[in-house]
Amino acid sequence: LAKTTQPISMDSYEGQEVNITCSHNNIATNDYITWYQQFPSQGPRFIIQGYKTKVTNEVASLFIPADRKSSTLSLPRVSLSDTAVYYCLVGDNGSFQKLVFGTGTRLLVSP
Amino acid sequence: DTAVSQTPKYLVTQMGNDKSIKCEQNLGHDTMYWYKQDSKKFLKIMFSYNNKELIINETVPNRFSPKSPDKAHLNLHINSLELGDSAVYFCASSFGLAGGPIETQYFGPGTRLLVL
Repeated sequence: LAKTTQPISMDSYEGQEVNITCSHNNIATNDYITWYQQFPSQGPRFIIQGYKTKVTNEVASLFIPADRKSSTLSLPRVSLSDTAVYYCLVGDNGSFQKLVFGTGTRLLVSP
Repeated sequence: DTAVSQTPKYLVTQMGNDKSIKCEQNLGHDTMYWYKQDSKKFLKIMFSYNNKELIINETVPNRFSPKSPDKAHLNLHINSLELGDSAVYFCASSFGLAGGPIETQYFGPGTRLLVL
């Protein structure tokens, strides 16, 4: 399973766009990139998943360059309720769907 | 309408005791998981069951024994509890389809275990 590296923490203000970058230099051809969000005292929650280029849903966008060695989670116009830990994961179902969580990025959104 | 539920939410017990945590999902999923999140917030998979069959066992001490009476339930029994077992335990589930991207896993609210 490819190892991921992300910033330990980030600070932002309400209304700003937040971009969290994840490095995964050893990503394999079959690997997908998945992001989860975890609020305090709750279990992780799926945000978005992609393989290449750009993926967008109602919550976030995921940008993946051509070499796929990194990815960027973009949260548009964050609010206080976006304060959480964001995990970047890399893998595929060939790994028996074993999610390997790294340290995550702790995002703090202030008024 | 809770998707993945766990009981109890909090569990405080003495060293050496035996305790169980229950998990139920009403999503019709075939695969269920147990994760442990320690005090440093590292989240690590412990077990995975697919259609009541164990498919992942991540070098967890034998004191931990998962049991899946049916596809919708995966319980975790812990014998001879130790101080280091204090953590938050999360149950999760997914459809368990083979191939392609990693499936979305749906997590429960967690069980906060404190061993004194």
